[in-house]
Amino acid sequence: AQKVTQAQTEISVVEKEDVTLDCVYETRDTTYYLFWYKQPPSGELVFLIRRNSFDEQNEISGRYSWNFQKSTSSFNFTITASQVVDSAVYFCALTLMDSSYKLIFGSGTRLLVRP
Amino acid sequence: DTAVSQTPKYLVTQMGNDKSIKCEQNLGHDTMYWYKQDSKKFLKIMFSYNNKELIINETVPNRFSPKSPDKAHLNLHINSLELGDSAVYFCASSQGRMYGFRTVGEQYFGPGTRLTVT
Repeated sequence: AQKVTQAQTEISVVEKEDVTLDCVYETRDTTYYLFWYKQPPSGELVFLIRRNSFDEQNEISGRYSWNFQKSTSSFNFTITASQVVDSAVYFCALTLMDSSYKLIFGSGTRLLVRP
Repeated sequence: DTAVSQTPKYLVTQMGNDKSIKCEQNLGHDTMYWYKQDSKKFLKIMFSYNNKELIINETVPNRFSPKSPDKAHLNLHINSLELGDSAVYFCASSQGRMYGFRTVGEQYFGPGTRLTVT
């Protein structure tokens, strides 16, 4: 069975601190995709990144970076120099190369960045 | 210019009523989805359609009936609403196939419809 675990329910940091959101996934498939989505207080779901299982290179986009490690089945997300606008619920998700197309979401991590 | 739109944004109704939520995407995607987000923020797939064909029905009660009149639209009709149906319903779309092959495009979500059943 496939599963995504985000063990951190809630994280609170002070602005400008770095913060890492953990994501651990389970699948027996060798080909899969991983995603991160952001859900700000306004409620919409915003796509952040997609990564396939064959690409273990870390990725950086501005203050955001992602660390994908197949050996530990983890796809962690780091925000550098956090800002109040980063306050949101962040979801990690997994999809397989079967015919279902569905995203399997983790339970989300609520990040609160205090000024 | 909205990529994925849903109407209505809020829906308040009484138990036993029938209601519909509409979704439209202008991204040219071939696959559309309905997800349910419960009060604890947990997101779960309900249905997916590829080229108007139902791909997944994820053990959703048959009171929920999706309908895809064309690739750009996926509506959700709910009969005999129950208290437990209260949630936020998200529509999403992605590109599921390219040149005849399965692809995995990122899913773009609509703004959500907050359904409250009283």
